[in-house]
Amino acid sequence: AQSVTQLGSHVSVSEGALVLLRCNYSSSVPPYLFWYVQYPNQGLQLLLKYTSAATLVKGINGFEAEFKKSETSFHLTKPSAHMSDAAEYFCAVLNAGNMLTFGGGTRLMVKP
Amino acid sequence: NAGVTQTPKFRVLKTGQSMTLLCAQDMNHEYMYWYRQDPGMGLRLIHYSVGEGTTAKGEVPDGYNVSRLKKQNFLLGLESAAPSQTSVYFCASSYSAGRFTGELFFGEGSRLTVL
Repeated sequence: AQSVTQLGSHVSVSEGALVLLRCNYSSSVPPYLFWYVQYPNQGLQLLLKYTSAATLVKGINGFEAEFKKSETSFHLTKPSAHMSDAAEYFCAVLNAGNMLTFGGGTRLMVKP
Repeated sequence: NAGVTQTPKFRVLKTGQSMTLLCAQDMNHEYMYWYRQDPGMGLRLIHYSVGEGTTAKGEVPDGYNVSRLKKQNFLLGLESAAPSQTSVYFCASSYSAGRFTGELFFGEGSRLTVL
């Protein structure tokens, strides 16, 4: 089964700074990859997804992710962090039977 | 615009007690899932269902049972709760294979503590 690894369980940035959340995948075939966001006391919601069309994927709230096959990575970025971006972010990969396998999550903290 | 609704949202159990978590969705989704979320471990799939009357085991099914008697409902049962089952439980739903886009729709979670 394919899996994803998120590097860094906690990331702290200042408001206005670049956000970079790391995700690496292990897959022998081109994967379908996803980023989900979980705001405090809420369920997860889809941020963006890669399905082998464009390698640069744009999502909601100004986030984007780039699929790099050579690095087996799908890192999530945002040019300028906002206080409202504070949340936990999960990378996920689609496995057989349309099942998603999630990474361990990265908690993003935004300092004023 | 309810989406996915979980009840109860909070519950405290003693070891050995039983309980059922209820998940209801109003989007006519075929697929439904139960995940548990533990710090540093992301979400792990407990059981899932691809349609009314069908269920299947996920990654961590031991100690749990499920039922999908109606398309809109997916129940998660703990027959004899253990402290290791202290967690936040999330229900999710999605379209079936032909229409699946990778998007799961999640409930707000049910926080369970087993003493």
